[in-house]
Amino acid sequence: EAGVTQFPSHSVIEKGQTVTLRCDPISGHDNLYWYRRVMGKEIKFLLHFVKESKQDESGMPNNRFLAERTGGTYSTLKVQPAELEDSGVYFCASSQDARTGELFFGEGSRLTVL
Amino acid sequence: QKEVEQNSGPLSVPEGAIASLNCTYSDRGSQSFFWYRQYSGKSPELIMSIYSNGDKEDGRFTAQLNKASQYVSLLIRDSQPSDSATYLCAVRNTGGFKTIFGAGTRLFVKA
Repeated sequence: EAGVTQFPSHSVIEKGQTVTLRCDPISGHDNLYWYRRVMGKEIKFLLHFVKESKQDESGMPNNRFLAERTGGTYSTLKVQPAELEDSGVYFCASSQDARTGELFFGEGSRLTVL
Repeated sequence: QKEVEQNSGPLSVPEGAIASLNCTYSDRGSQSFFWYRQYSGKSPELIMSIYSNGDKEDGRFTAQLNKASQYVSLLIRDSQPSDSATYLCAVRNTGGFKTIFGAGTRLFVKA
């Protein structure tokens, strides 16, 4: 069974540009989460999808970030326009049952904004 | 005060020893607690989950939970060099599906 996959693994962009990160959850997992780790800090929650619906987006830093999960399968996270402080590793995780809280993480997408 | 606090380490133990990792949390209503292991440049991997007070054992790993003290720990018996990684304590927030992570403790197991 394939795990959570993320693309790209690393993206380098200039301030003001747009980047779109993609996450494919484990097949059959209705719950999809985005997390971010900024250098030297802890992994921070961004948002949670249940199928195509946003269950909790309280961690989204500002309106430059837009997450979508059309059709309830893969998800995208777009940053537009990117700022220097957006640099970090963006992790996607999925779970079959949100009640257990057990998360399966992807390898992450490292974003570097110059 | 951070929501989930861990000693950043590094914690260094000799091969074969017991490694003890500790974590405290601030949300008294939390009901779900987790330990993830993260190798450098890799994704966090769930190694233990615990939901009730006491000990939970899985192979060489034992998770301990004390809700009254808001304290979670992870013991790794017979530590191996392959256990060298960052260990993340994580706590599910009360009434929601958000998992709060500590900054992690780096563990080095010396051969």
